[in-house]
Amino acid sequence: DVKVTQSSRYLVKRTGEKVFLECVQDMDHENMFWYRQDPGLGLRLIYFSYDVKMKEKGDIPEGYSVSREKKERFSLILESASTNQTSMYLCASSAPLGSYTDTQYFGPGTRLTVL
Amino acid sequence: TQLLEQSPQFLSIQEGENLTVYCNSSSVFSSLQWYRQEPGEGPVLLVTVVTGGEVKKLKRLTFQFGDARKDSSLHITAAQPGDTGLYLCAGSPGSQNFVFGPGTRLSVLP
Repeated sequence: DVKVTQSSRYLVKRTGEKVFLECVQDMDHENMFWYRQDPGLGLRLIYFSYDVKMKEKGDIPEGYSVSREKKERFSLILESASTNQTSMYLCASSAPLGSYTDTQYFGPGTRLTVL
Repeated sequence: TQLLEQSPQFLSIQEGENLTVYCNSSSVFSSLQWYRQEPGEGPVLLVTVVTGGEVKKLKRLTFQFGDARKDSSLHITAAQPGDTGLYLCAGSPGSQNFVFGPGTRLSVLP
């Protein structure tokens, strides 16, 4: 079975702190994604990566950065957390887009609260 | 522009009833996925449909992919409280990134 794990289920941080969210997948997937999910707004793509050291901006990259030094690991960084970044953060991985098995698999999510 | 639309947005039914939820688009998808998400958890994959006209069954859940690969439906027979959750459809229109529908929030009352 595909497994996507996220470093924390719940996280509470203060405004201005630097926050690291880590995601690891064990399926040797090329693609990894970070989303945030908010009530009424659905899933919104923050950043994604097609390969090691490659990254692409999603729909809402402002205030975030990412790092992919190894194929199995994709980190989301909040350089200076703000209260409007309180949200549920979801990591996902997939095989190459357009392939027969390009299904995304999700981690359990990290509920981040910024005070 | 919402590439994937889902209907209904909310659905509340009694245990034992049947229901169908829909996922529609004007774009063609190489495949579509259905997920169920419970509060505080990540979406869990239910099924992937890849062939136009395909029907897949998962116990009481029946998934259908439209012939033109632009739409899909999920039918639940004899719904149970454990079916309660947010049902999301998602897909990759060609080589573009994944898109998600807004979801159908289902509540099955005992």
